[in-house]
Amino acid sequence: AQSVTQPDIHITVSEGASLELRCNYSYGATPYLFWYVQSPGQGLQLLLKYFSGDTLVQGIKGFEAEFKRSQSSFNLRKPSVHWSDAAEYFCAVGAGRTSGTYKYIFGTGTRLKVLA
Amino acid sequence: DAGITQSPRHKVTETGTPVTLRCHQTENHRYMYWYRQDPGHGLRLIHYSYGVKDTDKGEVSDGYSVSRSKTEDFLLTLESATSSQTSVYFCAISRRTGGTLENTEAFFGQGTRLTVV
Repeated sequence: AQSVTQPDIHITVSEGASLELRCNYSYGATPYLFWYVQSPGQGLQLLLKYFSGDTLVQGIKGFEAEFKRSQSSFNLRKPSVHWSDAAEYFCAVGAGRTSGTYKYIFGTGTRLKVLA
Repeated sequence: DAGITQSPRHKVTETGTPVTLRCHQTENHRYMYWYRQDPGHGLRLIHYSYGVKDTDKGEVSDGYSVSRSKTEDFLLTLESATSSQTSVYFCAISRRTGGTLENTEAFFGQGTRLTVV
């Protein structure tokens, strides 16, 4: 079965420090992978996505993620965190595209706190 | 903006009553989804639809039913609301953002906060 694991429930970093949020997936075929961000009380916004090609993908707000097939991972990174990055981050995999019943499976999320 | 409207945005209901949440889209997208969001559980898929009258269960479908009689509307019904269904419910569509069929992303509504007392 398809699944997404985000091992870190909470992460705290200082403003200006680098950030890496972990995501591991389980999927039988080549995955479509996504990172979403949710600010408090808001809906979800797409940060970036991977379908094929270059395994390092760039997203909005200075985020990037690297797809590593051998590790079944799609970790999100940012070189310097800003206070406005405090939010909850969700990794997701797109599943079932060949069957015509496409769906998105989400991880449990990582809540990021940024210290001034 | 994929033109997704969820209604109501907030609702308080009593245990045992039926509740229907509505998701309306204006861009003729084929795929629509209902998720619930709970602390520690992330977003869990309840039901989804891949066309008019074509629906399937997600991972937490017990106690919920859906209907899609026209492309633009996807209704989620709690047949007999329980306190465990207190949650924030998000509707989403799968929207193509590039030239290929693969280049899609989930786009979410603003959510409905449901409280069952």
